[in-house]
Amino acid sequence: GAVVSQHPSRVICKSGTSVKIECRSLDFQATTMFWYRQFPKQSLMLMATSNEGSKATYEQGVEKDKFLINHASLTLSTLTVTSAHPEDSSFYICSAQNRDRGTDTQYFGPGTRLTVL
Amino acid sequence: GQNIDQPTEMTATEGAIVQINCTYQTSGFNGLFWYQQHAGEAPTFLSYNVLDGLEEKGRFSSFLSRSKGYSYLLLKELQMKDSAPYLCAVRASKTASNYQLIWGAGTKLIIKP
Repeated sequence: GAVVSQHPSRVICKSGTSVKIECRSLDFQATTMFWYRQFPKQSLMLMATSNEGSKATYEQGVEKDKFLINHASLTLSTLTVTSAHPEDSSFYICSAQNRDRGTDTQYFGPGTRLTVL
Repeated sequence: GQNIDQPTEMTATEGAIVQINCTYQTSGFNGLFWYQQHAGEAPTFLSYNVLDGLEEKGRFSSFLSRSKGYSYLLLKELQMKDSAPYLCAVRASKTASNYQLIWGAGTKLIIKP
């Protein structure tokens, strides 16, 4: 199967600090990675789509300068929440996809719960 | 606009069958997914439909009618562990080479003994 990992699983930080979340595809090459945010009892909200080696495409309303995404390799994408504030506290989930395999199924990481104090 | 509707909550009995419906209105259609998501965890892939008809996978089946913008997830022989939110997601086209998943808010399935 396709396995996607995220690190860290939980992070608590002070307001104003930056937090980096890593998303790795462990047994396949992810041509595309997606970053989602999910607030309690709400559906997943797509934040951005990134293709390896190119700039991420952000959804409307998502600040590019606040949520920095880097997809430097086919197995790693990072999301950095800069100058985090309490309203950024949420469950952040990445998913990876390998379109070259002819399947468009997204495989999700286990998520990162961010709490900003 | 993009819209996906599914019931907020459903209750069923252990051992029974339940059908969770999903209707969608999206700009372009390139597949529909069903995911299960336990509290505090990432979604788990259940099924994928891109053509009309029924896809069966063990206790779970998923049906799609593109003309009606409608899908359902059928769960048979319900077990207590099936209690979870079930998410319907549609892959809508943005461009010929790029698309996104539009997510429903999820249906919380409660299984009673």
